[in-house]
Amino acid sequence: GQNIDQPTEMTATEGAIVQINCTYQTSGFNGLFWYQQHAGEAPTFLSYNVLDGLEEKGRFSSFLSRSKGYSYLLLKELQMKDSASYLCAVRGSRNQGNLIFGKGTKLSVKP
Amino acid sequence: DTEVTQTPKHLVMGMTNKKSLKCEQHMGHRAMYWYKQKAKKPPELMFVYSYEKLSINESVPSRFSPECPNSSLLNLHLHALQPEDSALYLCASSQVGPLGAEAFFGQGTRLTVV
Repeated sequence: GQNIDQPTEMTATEGAIVQINCTYQTSGFNGLFWYQQHAGEAPTFLSYNVLDGLEEKGRFSSFLSRSKGYSYLLLKELQMKDSASYLCAVRGSRNQGNLIFGKGTKLSVKP
Repeated sequence: DTEVTQTPKHLVMGMTNKKSLKCEQHMGHRAMYWYKQKAKKPPELMFVYSYEKLSINESVPSRFSPECPNSSLLNLHLHALQPEDSALYLCASSQVGPLGAEAFFGQGTRLTVV
């Protein structure tokens, strides 16, 4: 079976740091992706991990532990425009590159 | 050009209508996808095309019929839809291959079935 879990909602303050966790149990693993989606818009790619460890991209970092089936997305120096849903997605065992999405975490950034 | 273009952006159709959603990309990607997204839910995979051939159909009802006429275009033909089919339909594309190939999403077509 395929199961990807992340918190439904989170709230944080402008300028702060927030960590969004994702745990997964999938029949195969070919990488974990984080996407940002503003309401009514398409998902946009944020980061990708296939090996254990931390990937840093400006204000965004993503961490992966394959043995624990665990990832997190770290957002630093939060801005109001970071208010969005954050989707954790796993590329499963099939070679076509299709993504299995978690339910998403709705992040609200407050002044 | 890192865009995936979908048309139309909005579509309202009756249950007896036939309509088509269109998706286009010029990034040289040979994998293209249709996802369906209901409000406050994650995208759910419908179809995957790899090298213009249908490789995955996630048990989608036959009232949805995908077509990939060439490596840049992906269509979704709609016929006899139900109100519960109202959703955001997202097209995506990526390189073929198991690792590292991020999927680029179009802006979606917001479909309302009346």
